[in-house]
Amino acid sequence: AQSVTQLGSHVSVSEGALVLLRCNYSSSVPPYLFWYVQYPNQGLQLLLKYTTGATLVKGINGFEAEFKKSETSFHLTKPSAHMSDAAEYFCAVSANTGFQKLVFGTGTRLLVSP
Amino acid sequence: DTAVSQTPKYLVTQMGNDKSIKCEQNLGHDTMYWYKQDSKKFLKIMFSYNNKELIINETVPNRFSPKSPDKAHLNLHINSLELGDSAVYFCASSQGGGGALQTQYFGPGTRLLVL
Repeated sequence: AQSVTQLGSHVSVSEGALVLLRCNYSSSVPPYLFWYVQYPNQGLQLLLKYTTGATLVKGINGFEAEFKKSETSFHLTKPSAHMSDAAEYFCAVSANTGFQKLVFGTGTRLLVSP
Repeated sequence: DTAVSQTPKYLVTQMGNDKSIKCEQNLGHDTMYWYKQDSKKFLKIMFSYNNKELIINETVPNRFSPKSPDKAHLNLHINSLELGDSAVYFCASSQGGGGALQTQYFGPGTRLLVL
């Protein structure tokens, strides 16, 4: 079984500051890990995903995440926040075989102030 | 062109009513999903269909019945609506057999409010 814990339901940063959104996972099998973003009143959009290979994954809009097996973590970062990054961010995990059943965390709302 | 579309966008109804939500994808994907997002933003899968065949059926009340008339459409019918059914329902689709590597594309959601 898989599960995801996102630390912090809200994260506030200033424009231009580093963004760090935390995600820890639990999985009985090697996981696939995902970050999705949800803008107000919209559906979810894939930011990036880790499947195999390189543990540092680059996504859209300047975001990246690093898979750390020893820490069971997949934290999302961006060097410099933009106002347009304000949104809800969801970490998700799935098993690496079989049907893709995404298990989502409870989300982190990113607030960006001028 | 909208990749995954849902109708209606908003749905306000009384307890006990029956309602349907429709989903269509024009991406040529073989697998479609229904998710429920509650008031705390928790998102959980309900159903998944691959080529009109049910492949994932989570613990969902049998008042919820998905129907897939063809692989581009996945509708959700809800009988005897309850207050707890109020949520945002998202449809999604992915290529192939729904394998773990395939990216899921989400629709804009249907906001259901049961009074």
